[in-house]
This record gives sequence, structure tokens and C-alpha cells, in this order.
Amino acid sequence: KQEVTQIPAALSVPEGENLVLNCSFTDSAIYNLQWFRQDPGKGLTSLLLIQSSQREQTSGRLNASLDKSSGRSTLYIAASQPGDSATYLCAVLYNFNKFYFGSGTKLNVKP
Amino acid sequence: ETGVTQTPRHLVMGMTNKKSLKCEQHLGHNAMYWYKQSAKKPLELMFVYSLEERVENNSVPSRFSPECPNSSHLFLHLHTLQPEDSALYLCASSQEGYRAPLHFGNGTRLTVT
Repeated sequence: KQEVTQIPAALSVPEGENLVLNCSFTDSAIYNLQWFRQDPGKGLTSLLLIQSSQREQTSGRLNASLDKSSGRSTLYIAASQPGDSATYLCAVLYNFNKFYFGSGTKLNVKP
Repeated sequence: ETGVTQTPRHLVMGMTNKKSLKCEQHLGHNAMYWYKQSAKKPLELMFVYSLEERVENNSVPSRFSPECPNSSHLFLHLHTLQPEDSALYLCASSQEGYRAPLHFGNGTRLTVT
């Protein structure tokens, strides 16, 4: 059974800090991995998509890495801001059209 | 209008009611999905439609009935729901294949009384 785990479940940091969110998956035979952001009561906004052949993707202050062999991905957020406060979810594609989600990390960036 | 649009945003229904959730995507995608998000649980995949055919039914109770009349529209028909069905229901779309990202709507917050 494919499982996706995100640690920590919650994280609180002061503004300006660099931080790392973790995502681990049990089966390394993935096709891609996607990071999302979810604001309270809202849908998911796609942040970064990493294909299985790639090691990392960058968008602005965000950098996502993928290590298939160890079953891990990290989302690095540089110079965090209060507007980054949200829940961050990772999703792994194993089978055609079937994405498996972690439970998310709730991030609070304090001004 | 662009993206994935879901209506209504909020819905309160009794256990004997019948209602429908609507999803529309303006991205030209050919796969659409229904997910359920309950508190402190990972997103649960309910249904997948690919090229307007249902390709996945993830052991969902029959009180949930999906409909995909074309590649841009997806419905979730609800009847005789239970209080434990209260959740955020999210619609997503993608271009079929192994490289395409998922795009989500803002969801419908459903409360069953």
C-alpha cells in the first residue's frame, strides 16, 4: 500500500527564517511528485511539480527536491513571510491518474 | 474565466435531501476528479473521469453518484447522506498522462445535519 507522510504536522517560525518541509513515500516507483499550498477553507494551489527523472524544481523563494531512492522530497522556503502561512501538501503519482496525498504540514510564519 | 470553478461554495443539507455539486474547468483538460477532505485526514480520491469515462471508483458509497456529461463539467449527486459525510469536496482536473499536474477548485464545504 502506498503511503505518503509529512513531518512535522505543524511548524511555527519567525518571519525571515529559511525552512524545510518534508515528504516521504513508501514506494519509490513514482511518476511525479507535486507540492501544493492550501489556505483555510480553500482549494489547493499547485506550487511545484517534479518529474521522476528530475532532482529539483525552483519557483521564486521555493525549491523542491526529490530523492526517489530514499523515498523523500523536501520543500525549501527561503526568507519566509507571514503570507506563506498555510498548509502545505505533497502528492505522489504512482498509477495513471491516481495521486496519493500526505496529511500536510501547517505552517505559521510569525511577524 | 480560467481555472477550476466549483459551486456552491457552501451547502447545508438534511439527511433526506437530494443535492448536486458542480465543477467546471476552463483549462482544456481531459481528466477530472472528485476528492473528499475531512479534518486531519489525507485527501481521499473518490472518482476519476478520463475522456468522460469513469476510470476509478474508490469504494465510494452509492449515496454519492458522479456524472461527467463532457470533458469540462463534472457533477456529484448526493442523496440520503450521513453526518459523517460532512467535509470539503474538491474537484480537480489534469491533462491525462504521467507528466501533468493537478489543478484544484476551491471546493464545496458540505454540512449534513
